[in-house]
Amino acid sequence: QITLKESGPTLVRPTQTLTLTCTFSGFSLSTTEVAVGWIRQPPGKALEWLAVIYWDGDKRYSPSLKRRLTITKDTSKDQVVLTMTNMDPVDTATYYCAHRPPIAVGGNALHVWGQGTMVTVSS
Amino acid sequence: QSALTQPASVSGSPGQSITISCTGTSRDVGGYNYVSWYQQHPGKAPKVIIYDVNNRPSGVSNRFSGSKAGNTASLTISGLQAEDEADYYCSSYTGSTTWVFGGGTKLTVL
Repeated sequence: QITLKESGPTLVRPTQTLTLTCTFSGFSLSTTEVAVGWIRQPPGKALEWLAVIYWDGDKRYSPSLKRRLTITKDTSKDQVVLTMTNMDPVDTATYYCAHRPPIAVGGNALHVWGQGTMVTVSS
Repeated sequence: QSALTQPASVSGSPGQSITISCTGTSRDVGGYNYVSWYQQHPGKAPKVIIYDVNNRPSGVSNRFSGSKAGNTASLTISGLQAEDEADYYCSSYTGSTTWVFGGGTKLTVL
């Protein structure tokens, strides 16, 4: 059974850097074609894709947030870490991580999601 | 990259069919057969119900179906049930190994 769980601060001050950890089980991020993505959702608003890291270490970012995001993986710990710099109140959102299986298994989609973690940016 | 365009809301009565559209460009929806649809109930994480345009994950009802024509993808829900009331999001792979979501559609079952 694949599970993912996000962890990190619930409150961040403006201009600070946010660090979120996605701890997963049931799969390995060293398996060919596997990926883990990060998505966020401001209260009452739509989903927004942020970043993805692939089994081979390739990293991709939302063009609009690329300058502020860094995604890394620790395969030995089964974790993916997302950092976002220069946080602003508009970054207040629920942040999700999600699993993309090998394409032959589940296509190019995010099949298992974490429960999400709410992050509030306020002074 | 801009968000994909979805209607803000749709509604239907139990037993009816509804269709939600998702319009992009040739650089995303029209360029790849990697459109997926997600269902999200209030306070819950999204759940994939369609992947790669028209494939259903195991366990998803066959009342859900997907299609694509040009730059527009569609999700059809047949035999509408009260439990289908939720927000629905489309997503597409784009160039450069990135993804984009739609603005979301709120489905109301009357």
